[in-house]
Amino acid sequence: GQSLEQPSEVTAVEGAIVQINCTYQTSGFYGLSWYQQHDGGAPTFLSYNALDGLEETGRFSSFLSRSDSYGYLLLQELQMKDSASYFCAVLAAGNKLTFGGGTRVLVKP
Amino acid sequence: DAGVTQSPTHLIKTRGQQVTLRCSPKSGHDTVSWYQQALGQGPQFIFQYYEEEERQRGNFPDRFSGHQFPNYSSELNVNALLLGDSALYLCASSLVGTSGGNEQYFGPGTRLTVT
Repeated sequence: GQSLEQPSEVTAVEGAIVQINCTYQTSGFYGLSWYQQHDGGAPTFLSYNALDGLEETGRFSSFLSRSDSYGYLLLQELQMKDSASYFCAVLAAGNKLTFGGGTRVLVKP
Repeated sequence: DAGVTQSPTHLIKTRGQQVTLRCSPKSGHDTVSWYQQALGQGPQFIFQYYEEEERQRGNFPDRFSGHQFPNYSSELNVNALLLGDSALYLCASSLVGTSGGNEQYFGPGTRLTVT
């Protein structure tokens, strides 16, 4: 089976940088995805890492180390609209996504 | 380009009843996955349909069943509802066999309340 660990909550001010760590245990690992979910909304895709290294997409970056079963999502230049829950999710055989419990990010002015 | 749609938006049922939730995938997608999300938790994988067959299944009892139609739309059926089935049910679509398969597009969900 799969299991993922990520912090439950992070608080930061506008303009700051936040790093959300995710460790996982899985079999049949394909890659690590990150999703954002605002309260009352649907999860939306942010990034996907299949290989080791850093992927940058605008203010958000995602990192993966397959040997350490570890990844992180980096949120830079935080804005109020970034207040949301962020989920890491392991993609395994058959396009099956297993989600972590989510990290609630609260951005303060 | 229509995204993933789900119906109904909200639903209230009583224990023991049966419910059917519906999902239409994003245009061009051929795979539909269903998730259950309890309040404050991450989505839990129920099952996935591709080519009208269940391909993968999570740790959910047989009370949860589904179907995929030739137009790729899908239904989730839950029998003998329990209070613990109250949750947001999310449908996600993707396209198998391409690099886009790792990106799943979620619908807005159906909020099911069992009383």
